[in-house]
Amino acid sequence: GDSVTQMEGPVTLSEEAFLTINCTYTATGYPSLFWYVQYPGEGLQLLLKATKADDKGSNKGFEATYRKETTSFHLEKGSVQVSDSAVYFCALSANYQLIWGAGTKLIIKP
Amino acid sequence: ETGVTQTPRHLVMGMTNKKSLKCEQHLGHNAMYWYKQSAKKPLELMFVYSLEERVENNSVPSRFSPECPNSSHLFLHLHTLQPEDSALYLCASSQDYRAGYTFGSGTRLTVV
Repeated sequence: GDSVTQMEGPVTLSEEAFLTINCTYTATGYPSLFWYVQYPGEGLQLLLKATKADDKGSNKGFEATYRKETTSFHLEKGSVQVSDSAVYFCALSANYQLIWGAGTKLIIKP
Repeated sequence: ETGVTQTPRHLVMGMTNKKSLKCEQHLGHNAMYWYKQSAKKPLELMFVYSLEERVENNSVPSRFSPECPNSSHLFLHLHTLQPEDSALYLCASSQDYRAGYTFGSGTRLTVV
């Protein structure tokens, strides 16, 4: 069945470091791909999305490119801030719902 | 008010109590979802409503009872819960699932 695999956390970085959070997927058909972010005590917020192969989603300095050949949608940011500390979820659309990764906790130290 | 609103934000209930969680969306979406989020576990889809009809029930115990009276409102009625039901309960809505969901801030439920 369809599934999403994310790198396990927590990921701990210093402020201004480069961020990559890996996400790979298994899917039949042509899903949309998403990254959501969850700040402490809050619900999930859509960070970015891509609807077809080679699309790049971007928002707030974060980027991810839909790679069909490697079935990946890795999240990147060039210079992280303390305020980026949160849990990040990768997801794909399938069977009239979203299929979720387990989430990756990101900790940014000043 | 816009977006998805969940009330209450926090709830503490005893195992013999009956309570309800409320979710309201002001986005004109036609599908609504209940998720359970427990510590160190993946997001668990509980119920899906599309056009006010339940289209998914992921083997959720009968002590959880959803209700969708119209396309803007979704309830989760709780009774005789167990301590392991303590979690963050998230509501979401969508117009087209391929465009993603909009989530509420969640209700933090503690069963004592």
